[in-house]
Amino acid sequence: EVQLVESGGGLVQPGGSLRLSCVVSGFTFSSFEMAWVRQAPGKGLEWVSDVSSSSSTTHYADSVKGRFTISRDNAKNSLYLQMNSLRAEDTAVYYCARRWGHFDYWGQGILVTVSS
Amino acid sequence: NFMLTQPHSVSESPGKTVTISCNCSSGSIASNYVQWYQQRPGSAPTPVIYEDNKRPSGVPDRFSGSIDSSSNSASLTISRLRAEDEADYYCQSYYSGNRVFGGGTKLTVL
Repeated sequence: EVQLVESGGGLVQPGGSLRLSCVVSGFTFSSFEMAWVRQAPGKGLEWVSDVSSSSSTTHYADSVKGRFTISRDNAKNSLYLQMNSLRAEDTAVYYCARRWGHFDYWGQGILVTVSS
Repeated sequence: NFMLTQPHSVSESPGKTVTISCNCSSGSIASNYVQWYQQRPGSAPTPVIYEDNKRPSGVPDRFSGSIDSSSNSASLTISRLRAEDEADYYCQSYYSGNRVFGGGTKLTVL
């Protein structure tokens, strides 16, 4: 069974940093691109970033470029999102997703709240 | 600026058919694949259509997707509506290296 489990969310002050993790199981992690997608409270889905299977290629939404860094550790079946210079508008549930063309499996999400 | 525009909400009765549109603001809708995701309240999204018109394993054939180049839009059609289809639906495609979601459509099954 494919599983993706996010962790590392919580409350952080504006300007602060947070690192999200996503541990996966049930598939060969090193064979798939992975992504982060977020959803602000009561709002729609917003793609944040994705990384190729070997980490050679990364993409970022303009809204997070220069502040967020996606990475992965294939030996640990883990995906990460380092979030710096956080803003109130970054408040959202962050989903980790497997990418096989489309986003075919999603985690349950982790809430990040940016507030003073 | 590339955008995918969906109606905010649609509603229909059980047993009927509903179609949700996804209008592409620039470029050709046919240039990149369109996906559709279902999100029930409190749950993560799940794909119901990928690559314009393919259904993932386990998705009933009541769900179908199509592309209309003349209107530069994609559509998700759900036939024989059931109460369990009530959810938010999002289209998604690609533009200049970015993955773009539509704003979402809330489907109410009356």
